[in-house]
Amino acid sequence: GDSVTQMEGPVTLSEEAFLTINCTYTATGYPSLFWYVQYPGEGLQLLLKATKADDKGSNKGFEATYRKETTSFHLEKGSVQVSDSAVYFCALSYGNNRLAFGKGNQVVVIP
Amino acid sequence: NAGVTQTPKFQVLKTGQSMTLQCAQDMNHNSMYWYRQDPGMGLRLIYYSASEGTTDKGEVPNGYNVSRLNKREFSLRLESAAPSQTSVYFCASSHRDWDSSYNSPLHFGNGTRLTVT
Repeated sequence: GDSVTQMEGPVTLSEEAFLTINCTYTATGYPSLFWYVQYPGEGLQLLLKATKADDKGSNKGFEATYRKETTSFHLEKGSVQVSDSAVYFCALSYGNNRLAFGKGNQVVVIP
Repeated sequence: NAGVTQTPKFQVLKTGQSMTLQCAQDMNHNSMYWYRQDPGMGLRLIYYSASEGTTDKGEVPNGYNVSRLNKREFSLRLESAAPSQTSVYFCASSHRDWDSSYNSPLHFGNGTRLTVT
């Protein structure tokens, strides 16, 4: 079935560093792709999305490009802040707008 | 503007007890979903309701039942709780335009943290 794979393990980095979180997907057809963010004690919030190949989603300085040739949707931010500390989930949509999620990556930004 | 509201926020059950998790949305969305979140597993779909009056199994439905009470409310019931059901449960909703096939992104509640001892 359709699935998403995120890079293993937490990510710890210093403030103003460059952030990349890798995400690859397996799908029949051409799903929409999403990044969701979860702050402590809260539900998931949509960070950005892309609905077709070569689309770039962007929000709050984060970007991700839908790459059909590499089946990837990597998340990047050029200069992270302490307030970006959260768990980040990559997801794809399939029938009836269901989402398949990756396992998530904890991001910790140190001042 | 409440969005998706889940109750209760926390619950502790003994093995074999039953309970119902409540979810309501005020965005006039036609689709609703229940997910569970476990460490290292991401979120997994338990049940969903594509529209009022329909419900379908997701990835991990065993041990659960659901009721789409009306367009706003979608409840999740554990008939006989087991320790393996210790998890954080999230309700979500979205809107599908059946004419255009447009789907809005999912909106999530803040979760119910359930512990079964």
